[in-house]
Amino acid sequence: GAVVSQHPSWVICKSGTSVKIECRSLDFQATTMFWYRQFPKQSLMLMATSNEGSKATYEQGVEKDKFLINHASLTLSTLTVTSAHPEDSSFYICSANGLAGTYNEQFFGPGTRLTVL
Amino acid sequence: GENVEQHPSTLSVQEGDSAVIKCTYSDSASNYFPWYKQELGKRPQLIIDIRSNVGEKKDQRIAVTLNKTAKHFSLHITETQPEDSAVYFCAAVNQGGKLIFGQGTELSVKP
Repeated sequence: GAVVSQHPSWVICKSGTSVKIECRSLDFQATTMFWYRQFPKQSLMLMATSNEGSKATYEQGVEKDKFLINHASLTLSTLTVTSAHPEDSSFYICSANGLAGTYNEQFFGPGTRLTVL
Repeated sequence: GENVEQHPSTLSVQEGDSAVIKCTYSDSASNYFPWYKQELGKRPQLIIDIRSNVGEKKDQRIAVTLNKTAKHFSLHITETQPEDSAVYFCAAVNQGGKLIFGQGTELSVKP
């Protein structure tokens, strides 16, 4: 149980285009999902916290108009990188936990490798 | 906000030796401390965790200790094997549920 999927697993796009990444909890309802970005040989940096039915909360320094997050259902959150540029190339990972108001183990998706040419 | 510092950044040991990775955190309200192993290009994998009401936890060759007063926690791997080679991350979770990662330790176990 507690499986999180991401789609696509990798994507290559041209500079200036937008890319959407989906994160799904397959066998549980995720009231909260998190989006991380990881550059090569660096740690995972939290970008935003996404709660079902409400606006995402972005970490300091993350542009909310560039990284659009939608959490329309208890099993799906999407991250759209708008007007992508080469510096947005990174490994994007989502995670999900199940219970609102308490902390449970976060279950990570397999990640999406974004390359912007 | 929470800040997690992790040391060392790289660690090389001989097979069979022990490896220790140390972390400190800044937010005294943090109450959950997981450790992750990440292989290249893959998702972080939870290997052990400890909650703030426990001082030590062990799972076979892996153990974690927590000193709440000093805001330190450590990962201990005994009898290391080549397959233990990976990047290890500590993390801390505060009451808001955010998971803040340390900088990572690249562990290399030489046969």
